[in-house]
Amino acid sequence: AQSVSQHNHHVILSEAASLELGCNYSYGGTVNLFWYVQYPGQHLQLLLKYFSGDPLVKGIKGFEAEFIKSKFSFNLRKPSVQWSDTAEYFCAVFSVQTGANNLFFGTGTRLTVIP
Amino acid sequence: KAGVTQTPRYLIKTRGQQVTLSCSPISGHRSVSWYQQTPGQGLQFLFEYFSETQRNKGNFPGRFSGRQFSNSRSEMNVSTLELGDSALYLCASSPGQSHTEAFFGQGTRLTVV
Repeated sequence: AQSVSQHNHHVILSEAASLELGCNYSYGGTVNLFWYVQYPGQHLQLLLKYFSGDPLVKGIKGFEAEFIKSKFSFNLRKPSVQWSDTAEYFCAVFSVQTGANNLFFGTGTRLTVIP
Repeated sequence: KAGVTQTPRYLIKTRGQQVTLSCSPISGHRSVSWYQQTPGQGLQFLFEYFSETQRNKGNFPGRFSGRQFSNSRSEMNVSTLELGDSALYLCASSPGQSHTEAFFGQGTRLTVV
């Protein structure tokens, strides 16, 4: 079945540690890929997106993600996290082939950064 | 410009009742999607409307329905509420026909007791 998998449910890091959150998807063909962040009490915000071109994309707040087509992965990274990065992170996929204008989301990864 | 607005922010209903949630997309956006967010399940797609037409529907029972008006505002309705319908309902708007980026509202927190 088509799915988006985020293997880490809860990640706890100290400030300045490096972050990598995994995201794998099972949709074939052309995909658009997204990472969204949901800070406590706030709405979902777009961190970054990949449509085509350079597989290493940079987003807001120092986040970046790398699209590896052969691995069906789109992992999110940040070299040095801050306490303000505490939030829930969602990977999402839009499958161009399905023709449906909706996103398929992973179950999310909760990141807690300890000062 | 104003973001996606969802009303109300919070609702408490009892089992068996029905509820209507409202979403006003970003001005000029014609696509509105609805998602249900629950702990551990992430966001589950409910349906998507474009120019007053439902283009796609997720795997939810017929108790969940929606519509879109000519001004792109959208409503979703849940009839015969069940305890399991308690969730955060999110609305997202997009500019056009193909998916480029979705802008989310703050959601309506529905609690069914």
